[in-house]
Order: sequence, then C-alpha cells, then structure tokens
Amino acid sequence: AQKVTQAQTEISVVEKEDVTLDCVYETRDTTYYLFWYKQPPSGELVFLIRRNSFDEQNEISGRYSWNFQKSTSSFNFTITASQVVDSAVYFCALSEARGSARQLTFGSGTQLTVLP
Amino acid sequence: DAGVIQSPRHEVTEMGQEVTLRCKPISGHDYLFWYRQTMMRGLELLIYFNNNVPIDDSGMPEDRFSAKMPNASFSTLKIQPSEPRDSAVYFCASSSRQGSYGYTFGSGTRLTVV
Repeated sequence: AQKVTQAQTEISVVEKEDVTLDCVYETRDTTYYLFWYKQPPSGELVFLIRRNSFDEQNEISGRYSWNFQKSTSSFNFTITASQVVDSAVYFCALSEARGSARQLTFGSGTQLTVLP
Repeated sequence: DAGVIQSPRHEVTEMGQEVTLRCKPISGHDYLFWYRQTMMRGLELLIYFNNNVPIDDSGMPEDRFSAKMPNASFSTLKIQPSEPRDSAVYFCASSSRQGSYGYTFGSGTRLTVV
C-alpha cells in the first residue's frame, strides 16, 4: 500500500525567508510518480510539479525547487524568498504505476503562513 | 481547454435530501476521479473510472453514495439520502495515460448538509 507523510502540520515564516516542506513516501512499486499541489485559501488544487521515480534530478522553477531522494524516500519542496502569496496548504501526493492503480494518495498537507 | 468543470460550486441541502454533483473532465482524458476533502480525513479517494468504467469504488463511504459515468464527458456523484456528516468539499479530477498521468482537478463543490 502507498502512503505519504507530511510531518509538518503548520509552518510560519516571515516574508523573504526560505522554507522547506518535507514529504516522505512509502510504496512497493519501482515505478511511481510524485506530485506537489498548492491549495490557496480560495480552495482549488493547483498542480505544481510531477516527478517520476526514475528521474532523481532536482528541479528548480523560479523560487520553487524540489529535492527528490529515493534513498530516503523523500520529495521535499523549498520556497526561496517566500512571499505572502505563498500562504496556502501544500500537499504532496504519490501515484503508483503498476496495473490499473492510478489513484493519487495525498499526504495530510502542510499549512504554510508567510507573514509580512 | 476549459479544464475540469464541476457544478455546482456550492450546495446547501437539508438532511435526507438527494444531492447530485456533476463533473465534466478534460476532453481526451480517460481517467476520472472523485475525491472528498474534510478536516478530519483530508483528501480521500472515493471512486475512479477508466474509460467510463468504475475501477475502484472501495473509498465510497456507504450505499448512500453512488457514482456514474455515462459517457466520456460527464460524471455524477449522488448522495441519497444526505446526512450532515457528508458535508465536505468534493473534487473531481481527470487524467490521461498519454499525459503520463498528470492530474487536473476541478474547483470543487462545497457541500453543506444541514
């Protein structure tokens, strides 16, 4: 069975600080996908990134970066120079690729508050 | 593309009434998912379809919940009779095998049962 753990329930930082959101996953599959979604106060789920299990290369997109380490089953998300607009709940999710199992399993989310 | 479209955005109903939530997936996507989000349980999968066929409904809480996908462009999630504990945000998402399973979510339906 697949499982995603986001141990940080809430994080509060001051604007311009860097912040890292942790994600640890469990799966028996060798092929899987990892995701991050953002849920702002308006409630929609906004896709941020998808990585497949064969690509451990870290990725940077503007102020966002992701660190994928299979050795520790982690897929952490860093926001550099945080802004108030980054305040949201962030979800890490996992999808296995075996058979017909295609559902996303979500972590419990991390509430990020960026203070001005 | 308009994305995944859900309706209504908000629904308030009385306990015991039937509620129908609707979803239009992205054209060409062959997977459709229904998720429910609550404070207590977070985001949980209720059911998903592949090519209009239900594949896994093990997350459907009880017989009061039913979901259908009569064609590739439309799905419904029905609750009959509704109960206050069904109050939640219900999300629909679609995905494409060709798109390597990127998942696009609708805006959600906030259901309140009073």
